[in-house]
Amino acid sequence: AQSVTQLDSQVPVFEEAPVELRCNYSSSVSVYLFWYVQYPNQGLQLLLKYLSGSTLVKGINGFEAEFNKSQTSFHLRKPSVHISDTAEYFCASTRGSYIPTFGRGTSLIVHP
Amino acid sequence: GAGVSQSPSNKVTEKGKDVELRCDPISGHTALYWYRQSLGQGLEFLIYFQGNSAPDKSGLPSDRFSAERTGGSVSTLTIQRTQQEDSAVYLCASSSRQGANTEAFFGQGTRLTVV
Repeated sequence: AQSVTQLDSQVPVFEEAPVELRCNYSSSVSVYLFWYVQYPNQGLQLLLKYLSGSTLVKGINGFEAEFNKSQTSFHLRKPSVHISDTAEYFCASTRGSYIPTFGRGTSLIVHP
Repeated sequence: GAGVSQSPSNKVTEKGKDVELRCDPISGHTALYWYRQSLGQGLEFLIYFQGNSAPDKSGLPSDRFSAERTGGSVSTLTIQRTQQEDSAVYLCASSSRQGANTEAFFGQGTRLTVV
């Protein structure tokens, strides 16, 4: 079965600093990868997704992620974060199954 | 409606009571998912509906949990004889078609507290 590992449960960072949220997946075959964001008391919304093609994927709010097949990673990055980026971030994968498998989430905390 | 709607937004119930959680997916979406979100545990898959196919119930944690989807639209998740460990946020999501590359749209969730 596929699985997704988010290596950091919490990432504190100062405003305007760069950030990377790490995600590794387990699969030796083609996989689709997603990053979702959950703001307080809200549902999840899609940030970006990797289906095929270019390994660098750009999403909303200035986020981007790079698919690395050799390292089975799909890390999320932003060059300069804002206070409003404080939220929970979830990495997810699907493969064959239509049911997304989610990581445990990473809480991004942006300090002024 | 514009998005996935869940009701109630909050539910407090006594241990041993039954509860029903409702999900209205985006109109026209054929796939519907239920997940459970516990603190620090991420999203736990519960059940998946796709069109008129038999649902995938492989994630339901016990026989106290059941779900139905009427008319291919509204879904109800029922928890019988609730226990304190059932306390969590229950999230519903829908997607426009069947496919592993399809984005899921989430509701805001129902926060269930069993006291």
